[in-house]
Amino acid sequence: KAGVTQTPRYLIKTRGQQVTLSCSPISGHRSVSWYQQTPGQGLQFLFEYFSETQRNKGNFPGRFSGRQFSNSRSEMNVSTLELGDSALYLCASRRSSYNSPLHFGNGTRLTVT
Amino acid sequence: GIQVEQSPPDLILQEGANSTLRCNFSDSVNNLQWFHQNPWGQLINLFYIPSGTKQNGRLSATTVATERYSLLYISSSQTTDSGVYFCAVEHGLGETSGSRLTFGEGTQLTVNP
Repeated sequence: KAGVTQTPRYLIKTRGQQVTLSCSPISGHRSVSWYQQTPGQGLQFLFEYFSETQRNKGNFPGRFSGRQFSNSRSEMNVSTLELGDSALYLCASRRSSYNSPLHFGNGTRLTVT
Repeated sequence: GIQVEQSPPDLILQEGANSTLRCNFSDSVNNLQWFHQNPWGQLINLFYIPSGTKQNGRLSATTVATERYSLLYISSSQTTDSGVYFCAVEHGLGETSGSRLTFGEGTQLTVNP
């Protein structure tokens, strides 16, 4: 069974630009969530989608948004990039919305210059 | 929100040694997972263990939910065990409330040959 797939693996963007990251969950998994990892803040929850609906949202500005498609694939978008958005962005999927383990992808490393 | 504390923050071992990593959490949890983050950033799911004890090869984990802690045991450590170990918890979940993992700050493990 294929794992969680994130693309691209690496990205370099300039301040003010926008970026879209993609995540394909494990087959049969309907919940997809996104996390940001930085050296200063650690791993922080961004948002979670289940059956194309955002179920939960972390404490991030509105520049961070996401969506989920009918095939459970998810994208997250960051607009008007800031230097502080440089981070490893991790996507995770799980079978249901709770009471099952999360499985993470390899991440997308975003560098904002 | 729920607080997650991991100890020790750093651990250096000689190959073959045993170790115990601890995770304390401040509220009741529905889900607790242990992850190993490899040098490439991927979070590898070690255990899904909201309560009880599980074993997988040289690794085992115990969660005592009533006392709000979990332990990860690594026996006969190998250099490939090096990396960061994270504990992550969820609480207050229901069918409609969605999911959100809260991570500890991790234990940086270095196993020397």
